Amino acid sequence: AQKITQTQPGMFVQEKEAVTLDCTYDTSDPSYGLFWYKQPSSGEMIFLIYQGSYDQQNATEGRYSLNFQKARKSANLVISASQLGDSAMYFCAMTDFSGSARQLTFGSGTQLTVLP
Amino acid sequence: ETGVTQSPTHLIKTRGQQVTLRCSSQSGHNTVSWYQQALGQGPQFIFQYYREEENGRGNFPPRFSGLQFPNYSSELNVNALELDDSALYLCASSLGGSGSTGELFFGEGSRLTVL
Repeated sequence: AQKITQTQPGMFVQEKEAVTLDCTYDTSDPSYGLFWYKQPSSGEMIFLIYQGSYDQQNATEGRYSLNFQKARKSANLVISASQLGDSAMYFCAMTDFSGSARQLTFGSGTQLTVLP
Repeated sequence: ETGVTQSPTHLIKTRGQQVTLRCSSQSGHNTVSWYQQALGQGPQFIFQYYREEENGRGNFPPRFSGLQFPNYSSELNVNALELDDSALYLCASSLGGSGSTGELFFGEGSRLTVL
């Protein structure tokens, strides 16, 4: 069974500063994918970034980067130059490639608040 | 916007009733998944449909059922509603098949309240 752990229920960051949101995972599958989603108060889950377990380099997408440490089973999200619009709930999620369904297992989330 | 639309956005039902939630997937996507998100928690996988067939199911009872139509839109049906079914129901579409990384595009959800 897969498990995602996000240990920070809430985080605060000053506008224009960088922030790291923690995520650890557990799986016995050798092939898996890790995702980060942003959920504003409207409810929609917005895809941010993806990292495959066999990817050699850490994923980056604009101001988002994923600090992937496979041996430690961690996949932390780094947001650089925080903006007020980054205030939202952030979820780490994973899937494996052992079956035909691409089921995501989500963590409990981190509520990020960006301060002006 | 992801191009995934859900209806209704909000609804209130009473215990024991039945509800149908609808989802239109993003153009070109042949896979639809449904997730239940209780207040303050991460989404939980209900089931997935690929080309009109259910090809994966989470730990939800049979009173949660679904359909996918030839145009890849989908319905989630919940019978005999219980108070614990109160949640945000998220639909996500993706392009399935071998080689898919599983990136999901979510709608804004249907918020169900069971009284």
